[in-house]
Amino acid sequence: NAGVMQNPRHLVRRRGQEARLRCSPMKGHSHVYWYRQLPEEGLKFMVYLQKENIIDESGMPKERFSAEFPKEGPSILRIQQVVRGDSAAYFCASSPAGQGTSQYFGPGTRLLVL
Amino acid sequence: TQLLEQSPQFLSIQEGENLTVYCNSSSVFSSLQWYRQEPGEGPVLLVTVVTGGEVKKLKRLTFQFGDARKDSSLHITAAQPGDTGLYLCAGQGGGTSYGKLTFGQGTILTVHP
Repeated sequence: NAGVMQNPRHLVRRRGQEARLRCSPMKGHSHVYWYRQLPEEGLKFMVYLQKENIIDESGMPKERFSAEFPKEGPSILRIQQVVRGDSAAYFCASSPAGQGTSQYFGPGTRLLVL
Repeated sequence: TQLLEQSPQFLSIQEGENLTVYCNSSSVFSSLQWYRQEPGEGPVLLVTVVTGGEVKKLKRLTFQFGDARKDSSLHITAAQPGDTGLYLCAGQGGGTSYGKLTFGQGTILTVHP
């Protein structure tokens, strides 16, 4: 079984551009989570989605960040008008259900904002 | 806000020694997961514990979930250089924290041959 897929693995953007990060969950998993790992910091929760629904976005910055998980296709984390402080590793995880089930992580997307 | 305190932050030992990593919180978690992360990669799940007092073994690794589900430990017996890496604990809570994982700061383990 293929694991969680993320692309691109590395993304370079200039300040003010948009960044789109994609995540395909493991087969059979309908729950997706996004986490961010800033340099020298731990992993922080951003958002939890099921198909076509945002369940918990308590960790998302109020502006410029959005996430979706459409009925068909991968989950997308979108960052508009990127700033240097957005440079980080962004990880997606998936699980077959919500609470009480294990989350499996993808390899991450390393975003560098110049 | 739920917090997980992980200790020690750094651990440098010789091959063959035993070690224990601790994860503590004042909050109750519905489950706790341990991961290992290599540089440039995503966290790889080692184990999930869900029952207070639960003990799980994975070869030389022993994981324990506290009776009150507020703390956990990872014990490695006879460490090997291949055990070198970053170990992370992550708690999954209930109520308003449904679903999301709260991570500890991580323990960087170095095992010298």
